[in-house]
Amino acid sequence: DAKTTQPNSMESNEEEPVHLPCNHSTISGTDYIHWYRQLPSQGPEYVIHGLTSNVNNRMASLAIAEDRKSSTLILHRATLRDAAVYYCIPKGDFGNEKLTFGTGTRLTIIP
Amino acid sequence: DSGVTQTPKHLITATGQRVTLRCSPRSGDLSVYWYQQSLDQGLQFLIHYYNGEERAKGNILERFSAQQFPDLHSELNLSSLELGDSALYFCASSVDDSSYNSPLHFGNGTRLTVT
Repeated sequence: DAKTTQPNSMESNEEEPVHLPCNHSTISGTDYIHWYRQLPSQGPEYVIHGLTSNVNNRMASLAIAEDRKSSTLILHRATLRDAAVYYCIPKGDFGNEKLTFGTGTRLTIIP
Repeated sequence: DSGVTQTPKHLITATGQRVTLRCSPRSGDLSVYWYQQSLDQGLQFLIHYYNGEERAKGNILERFSAQQFPDLHSELNLSSLELGDSALYFCASSVDDSSYNSPLHFGNGTRLTVT
């Protein structure tokens, strides 16, 4: 699976949009890009995933660069509950059935 | 609520002992994954089962073993426990046999403390 680079930490004001970047320059053409988050004292939580097109769901939007070497998770209106560690995970289909979590980005929401 | 149930929530035991962690996947999910999270290692994949069969192994010690039963629940057995085994152990489930295009749904974990 491709390696990723994410900021160690970010801060955002409550009720403002948040853009969480991820670089995955070694991604292959068939890797999906998954995003998970982990709130304090909880298990990881699936956020969104996509392949080439931008994706939206009730939690967030995923913007994927045209060359697929980077992506951005967008939280449209941050709440205090969005404070978490966010993981960007490219996932190939090589029969190696695991998601590899890196160190992620710790997002702090300022009231 | 992810629908994945892990028991117990907390476990305190002594070195050298053996414990069993249990996971019930979401209804309809056939895959179960086990992960370990310690402060200095982050989330580490241990093992994956699909419909009762082992599909992949990660950084799982020989002292650890797992299985998935016909009713699809899974157990992770940890034996000859050491202080370094203290960690959060998470179980996740998914519908498919691959996390490639299927979300994983995680439980809230079992916190193991070895004294």
